Amino acid sequence: DIVMTQSPDSLAVSLGERATINCKSSQSIFFHSYNKNYLAWFQQKPGQPPKLLISWASTRESGVPDRFSGSGSGTDFTLTISSLQAEDVAVYYCQHYYSTPWTFGPGTRLEIK
Amino acid sequence: EVQLVESGGGLIQPGGSLRLSCAASGFTVNSHYMNWVRQAPGKGLEWLSVMYSGGSTFYADSVKGRFTISRDTSNNILYLDMDTLRVEDTAVYYCARGGRGGIAAPLVDYWGQGTLVTVSS
Repeated sequence: DIVMTQSPDSLAVSLGERATINCKSSQSIFFHSYNKNYLAWFQQKPGQPPKLLISWASTRESGVPDRFSGSGSGTDFTLTISSLQAEDVAVYYCQHYYSTPWTFGPGTRLEIK
Repeated sequence: EVQLVESGGGLIQPGGSLRLSCAASGFTVNSHYMNWVRQAPGKGLEWLSVMYSGGSTFYADSVKGRFTISRDTSNNILYLDMDTLRVEDTAVYYCARGGRGGIAAPLVDYWGQGTLVTVSS
């Protein structure tokens, strides 16, 4: 099974500053045949189900603010929030969908400094 | 409008069984990959199971042999039958929709609000 890890566990960033969350997979989740990384990022706010932010490591979903961006390939990935807003306080999870089981990372809690 | 509404959670003793339901609207459960994901109190997300649109099923090792995913296409409902429940199965259980097929099928785009299962004596 592919194991997903995230760093840091928690992060406090000032409003308007950049937040960076890292995700690493235990093996490559790049599918050469389709030239795609099978990685998604989810945002979960308290009391709510997760929300898909980014798919294919870097494709922002419709309606997601452009301050959210994803990057990386192979085994190392990053979610960046370019200018933190108050409504971005949440736990962020990466998930691979390369092969079952489609495991999630442990999550990164993002707070306002 | 796509909606997923889970039900069937509650308090159950260790070793007991429970059936969770996920009523879908706005699409048909047999046209999409359908997943169950759980979240223990204060913990992260754990993917449990998927049923492909074609009917194939897959499970996480933690529930394999104890949990069974199924669907009722007539009533557009996804189920999770849970047997031999353990204290560590205590969690909010989410139903989550994937894609229709192809390479994007595993991507979850809609989630229900979840139903809480508490396994305790």
